[in-house]
Amino acid sequence: DGGITQSPKYLFRKEGQNVTLSCEQNLNHDAMYWYRQDPGQGLRLIYYSQIVNDFQKGDIAEGYSVSREKKESFPLTVTSAQKNPTAFYLCASIAGTSNTEAFFGQGTRLTVV
Amino acid sequence: GENVEQHPSTLSVQEGDSAVIKCTYSDSASNYFPWYKQELGKRPQLIIDIRSNVGEKKDQRIAVTLNKTAKHFSLHITETQPEDSAVYFCAAGGNEKLTFGTGTRLTIIP
Repeated sequence: DGGITQSPKYLFRKEGQNVTLSCEQNLNHDAMYWYRQDPGQGLRLIYYSQIVNDFQKGDIAEGYSVSREKKESFPLTVTSAQKNPTAFYLCASIAGTSNTEAFFGQGTRLTVV
Repeated sequence: GENVEQHPSTLSVQEGDSAVIKCTYSDSASNYFPWYKQELGKRPQLIIDIRSNVGEKKDQRIAVTLNKTAKHFSLHITETQPEDSAVYFCAAGGNEKLTFGTGTRLTIIP
């Protein structure tokens, strides 16, 4: 079953802790993206990667970090520096550049307790 | 960078009527304009897209129009049905980033 998979679906974190969200795709897509979704604010870009071992900051990168060691994987770490981390996080992959269809994972809802 | 504005934020229409959602973008280098539908608790999915060399595209009850000069594009849904109720996002891409609008919550009233 081809697609893009995020895990876990729900995640709880204590304040001051780092947490890593997983995103894996078997679509052989070059580009991968992380978005944050908050009510009324749409999808805001955190980080994106066009190729292995390279990634770029998006519009709201502060408090987040990523890696792209493999084409299939693009994990996102939410660090303790992120002031308001409670949100719904969506990962997406695109075959080429940003002018083709993006395929989304099912999302991870992170709650800080 | 690119800035995409989307209006309205909420829209309610009577079943069978048409719905129109409008977006504007700022970066003239953007050349790809997709629309995504997100049903409650689900992931966004592409419903239609348009490229900058085309002014209009239609797929059954859904159509998108693009005005490159004015930098705006719109989604038109005709003969709306209850299953059209969802959040719709416009986006602009083609320059590495894919930038989304803030979303429109569409409610179809039976």
